[in-house]
Amino acid sequence: GAVVSQHPSWVICKSGTSVKIECRSLDFQATTMFWYRQFPKQSLMLMATSNEGSKATYEQGVEKDKFLINHASLTLSTLTVTSAHPEDSSFYICSARGFGTGGLIEQYFGPGTRLTVT
Amino acid sequence: KQEVTQIPAALSVPEGENLVLNCSFTDSAIYNLQWFRQDPGKGLTSLLLIQSSQREQTSGRLNASLDKSSGRSTLYIAASQPGDSATYLCAVYNNNDMRFGAGTRLTVKP
Repeated sequence: GAVVSQHPSWVICKSGTSVKIECRSLDFQATTMFWYRQFPKQSLMLMATSNEGSKATYEQGVEKDKFLINHASLTLSTLTVTSAHPEDSSFYICSARGFGTGGLIEQYFGPGTRLTVT
Repeated sequence: KQEVTQIPAALSVPEGENLVLNCSFTDSAIYNLQWFRQDPGKGLTSLLLIQSSQREQTSGRLNASLDKSSGRSTLYIAASQPGDSATYLCAVYNNNDMRFGAGTRLTVKP
């Protein structure tokens, strides 16, 4: 099946610094990628939808200037958490939309990136 | 906006029991529905995907049903094992994105 990778798998950074997380579709082209955030013992919350070559669409309450998303190619999307603060500590998961069995749309998920801001 | 609800939030059963997890959604115009498993601190493992035209999918001891008109899906786990302990997430795909329920935390006691 389709594979989505994320890098890094975990990162610790100091408050005020910026962190970049990469999401790659390894064996398929993804025109649309999604970024989710998950706080402990909570479900995944959609942060933004990223379309290749255009600006991301952010969910209500997500600061676009704080969470910069770039989808420069059909296989790579990046999420940059700018001026990170401890409250940004979370598990960030990306997914990529592709085509599964019978050419039907499926979303494939990366393994997640755990961000800890100290 | 699609709302996805999962009941119960937590469930503890003895090993060997059959169990049912419930998922409901508010907008029935879905493209597909997917059940995932998530172990603590880990990513998502896809269990079953049901297309909007289907009524159920089966994989081993797992069976997922979909009643689109009533906005409901169930995940049936037969003969539960301690290794089934995890959080089970239901997700619905429509309107160009996927929305998740809050999950059911399952504990299977030996």
